Amino acid sequence: DAGVTQSPTHLIKTRGQHVTLRCSPISGHKSVSWYQQVLGQGPQFIFQYYEKEERGRGNFPDRFSARQFPNYSSELNVNALLLGDSALYLCASSLVLAGRNEQFFGPGTRLTVL
Amino acid sequence: AQTVTQSQPEMSVQEAETVTLSCTYDTSESNYYLFWYKQPPSRQMILVIRQEAYKQQNATENRFSVNFQKAAKSFSLKISDSQLGDTAMYFCAFTTQTGNQFYFGTGTSLTVIP
Repeated sequence: DAGVTQSPTHLIKTRGQHVTLRCSPISGHKSVSWYQQVLGQGPQFIFQYYEKEERGRGNFPDRFSARQFPNYSSELNVNALLLGDSALYLCASSLVLAGRNEQFFGPGTRLTVL
Repeated sequence: AQTVTQSQPEMSVQEAETVTLSCTYDTSESNYYLFWYKQPPSRQMILVIRQEAYKQQNATENRFSVNFQKAAKSFSLKISDSQLGDTAMYFCAFTTQTGNQFYFGTGTSLTVIP
């Protein structure tokens, strides 16, 4: 079975632009979580979606939004990009809510904001 | 507020030796989940071991074991018979019982020396 997939692998944007990152969970997994990992730091939790509903939100501004589709794939949107948004964005999926079940991480999308 | 602290930014160990990575956390919750994740240089995050706070018994997975001290809010990872493939960043992480928030430490970079 395929693991968690993310697209694109790398992305370069300029300040003020908008970006959409995509994630496909492992087949059968209903929960998707998003994390931001700045170079040299641990991942910071952004969102968790389960059964297409937001079930958790980290301390990120409203410029960050996400959604989960009926096939359980997910998109993370970031508006009005800032230099500080440059990071590796990780997606993770789990059977049900993460914590009670193991999260499986994707390879990430490297976003560079110039 | 929940926090996770890893006080050892870098560690090294000789191949076949044993090493212990430290993690402390702070929470007012009575039940929660703790994790150790490994992130090799390729950057795909992998779950190493998971501990449920209500379980007294320390979790073990092959060469990996934890020392969970709930009263002290300490959750250390012991790696026995270290192998070159253990070289990676190791992150300690915490989530509440509802699984709607995740907190990661800043990581410990472990190098296994041949």
